[in-house]
Amino acid sequence: GAVVSQHPSWVICKSGTSVKIECRSLDFQATTMFWYRQFPKQSLMLMATSNEGSKATYEQGVEKDKFLINHASLTLSTLTVTSAHPEDSSFYICSAGLAGVQEQYFGPGTRLTVT
Amino acid sequence: AQKVTQAQTEISVVEKEDVTLDCVYETRDTTYYLFWYKQPPSGELVFLIRRNSFDEQNEISGRYSWNFQKSTSSFNFTITASQVVDSAVYFCALGRTISSGSARQLTFGSGTQLTVLP
Repeated sequence: GAVVSQHPSWVICKSGTSVKIECRSLDFQATTMFWYRQFPKQSLMLMATSNEGSKATYEQGVEKDKFLINHASLTLSTLTVTSAHPEDSSFYICSAGLAGVQEQYFGPGTRLTVT
Repeated sequence: AQKVTQAQTEISVVEKEDVTLDCVYETRDTTYYLFWYKQPPSGELVFLIRRNSFDEQNEISGRYSWNFQKSTSSFNFTITASQVVDSAVYFCALGRTISSGSARQLTFGSGTQLTVLP
């Protein structure tokens, strides 16, 4: 139980294009979803927190207009990297949480390379 | 502010040795949760343990054990008789409740790269 999937698992795109990453909770309804970014050999940094049906809360320093997060249902959240640049190349990881449950359930991650 | 410090950037041991990964945290919350995750080269995070701030009992799970000491704000992780498959990056994380009943927002340490040599 508590499986989270991400799609795609890896993506290569050209500079200036937009990329959408999907995060799905497969066997439970996620009240909250989190998006993290991890640069090579670094830690996971929280980008934003989103609750179903409401706007995401972004961490300081994360551009909300560049990283669009949509949490339209209790099983799906999407992260769109708009006008991607090489410095956006990173490993993006989502996690999903349930009300009253302490664990977050992590997706397998999406490796984005912007050329 | 929440902060997690993993001072050991890299550790290398020979198989069957015991190894301890250190984690020190800072928080002003009275209720909080501590986690350890393993990240193998594939990148997917593997949950290892959760401990809440009210429970200072040490825990053992097979070759893994955890020592939570609130007095020193530490939550250390020991692998006994290490194996090559234990090679990975290990993250300690601190969780706080972000709103009533919601899942916790996590602050991760910088991670410790453990290499177990055959």
